[in-house]
Amino acid sequence: AQTVTQSQPEMSVQEAETVTLSCTYDTSESDYYLFWYKQPPSRQMILVIRQEAYKQQNATENRFSVNFQKAAKSFSLKISDSQLGDAAMYFCAYRSATGNQGGKLIFGQGTELSVKP
Amino acid sequence: ETGVTQTPRHLVMGMTNKKSLKCEQHLGHNAMYWYKQSAKKPLELMFVYNFKEQTENNSVPSRFSPECPNSSHLFLHLHTLQPEDSALYLCASGREFVDTEAFFGQGTRLTVV
Repeated sequence: AQTVTQSQPEMSVQEAETVTLSCTYDTSESDYYLFWYKQPPSRQMILVIRQEAYKQQNATENRFSVNFQKAAKSFSLKISDSQLGDAAMYFCAYRSATGNQGGKLIFGQGTELSVKP
Repeated sequence: ETGVTQTPRHLVMGMTNKKSLKCEQHLGHNAMYWYKQSAKKPLELMFVYNFKEQTENNSVPSRFSPECPNSSHLFLHLHTLQPEDSALYLCASGREFVDTEAFFGQGTRLTVV
C-alpha cells in the first residue's frame, strides 16, 4: 500500500521570504501523480501544483515549485515570495496512475504554514 | 469556487438522529468521493463512486451509507453515529482514468453529541 508522510506539522515563514515544505512517499508503482493541496480556514481544498511521475522536469506554478526526487521518493514544495494569503494547511497527496485504483488520493498528515508580516 | 457544492456546511446531531449530507457537482465528472478529515489525522477515503457505481468502501462502518443517484449527486446518510464520528466530511469529484486532480467541496463540519 502507498503511504505519504509529511514530517513537519507546522512551519513558519516571514512575508516575502521562501519556505520549503517536505513530503516523502512510499510506493512500488512506477507511474503515479503527486499533488500539493492547500486548505485555508475556509476549508476548501485547493490544488496548488501537480507532478506526473514520468516527467523529470519539476512542476512550477508562479511562486510555487516542487523538487521531485523520484529515486528518493521525495516531493517538496517551495513557496517563494511568501504572502499572507499563503497561510493555510498544506497537504501532499499521491494518486496511482493505474485506472483500477479508482482515482483515489492518499494524503499526508498536513503541514500548517503560518506567514508572519 | 471549485464547482463542488456541499450542504449543509455545519451539522450537529444526536446519536439517535438520522441525517444526510449532500454533494453536487456539474463539472461533468464521472467519479465522486467521500473523505473524512479528523483533527491531527490525514484525510481518510471513505467511498468511491464511478459512473454511479460504488467501486470502493474503505472499511467504513454501516452507520455511514452512501448513495449516488446520478453522476452529479452524492449523498452520505448518517444514522446512530458516535461522538468519534465528529469530523469534517469532504466530497470530491474527478474524471476517472484521466490524469486530472480531484476537485473538493468546502465540507460539512459534523458534530455528534
